[in-house]
Amino acid sequence: NAGVTQTPKFRILKIGQSMTLQCTQDMNHNYMYWYRQDPGMGLKLIYYSVGAGITDKGEVPNGYNVSRSTTEDFPLRLELAAPSQTSVYFCASSYDRVSHEQFFGPGTRLTVL
Amino acid sequence: AQSVTQLDSQVPVFEEAPVELRCNYSSSVSVYLFWYVQYPNQGLQLLLKYLSGSTLVKGINGFEAEFNKSQTSFHLRKPSVHISDTAEYFCAVSPRGSQGNLIFGKGTKLSVKP
Repeated sequence: NAGVTQTPKFRILKIGQSMTLQCTQDMNHNYMYWYRQDPGMGLKLIYYSVGAGITDKGEVPNGYNVSRSTTEDFPLRLELAAPSQTSVYFCASSYDRVSHEQFFGPGTRLTVL
Repeated sequence: AQSVTQLDSQVPVFEEAPVELRCNYSSSVSVYLFWYVQYPNQGLQLLLKYLSGSTLVKGINGFEAEFNKSQTSFHLRKPSVHISDTAEYFCAVSPRGSQGNLIFGKGTKLSVKP
């Protein structure tokens, strides 16, 4: 199993540009999450999904959108990128909310200039 | 609402010495508790978790943690650290009944020196 994969690994955007961060898992997990990690601030939840077709907002959803058309994929869309979105983005998945072990991808480092 | 406080942002320690990384939490509901480790330029990996039962939890790589409900703490310990334990450690909670959402502390950077 590849686990959780994320693309791209690095990206530089100009203010106002848009992009999609890709996340795929091959563990048949129902639950998927997007976090951002800012230096010295830990991780904060952006969006999550409990299954295909179901998404919900986390703590910091403004400026982002998600979709979940399949169990495997959970892309994160940034519209009109702003410098405040400079961060490292992590995707994670979990089989269910009982086991509570989340498996993390390697992250995408995004810089908005 | 829940919050997690990791009391030390950086902990330097010599190889083979014991270490304790402190974590306190605040919550109006019962929570599950976790420690994750992040090695440089990698994603997070679960070290251990407390869901119920014995308050002393053993995890991977020789780490253990003890849940103290009265002090709302979940400190992580290892009796003898190795150079390879150098990483950032995150304490997290998840409210019981939630969709598994994790609330993280700000992290503690453990530096093990030879």
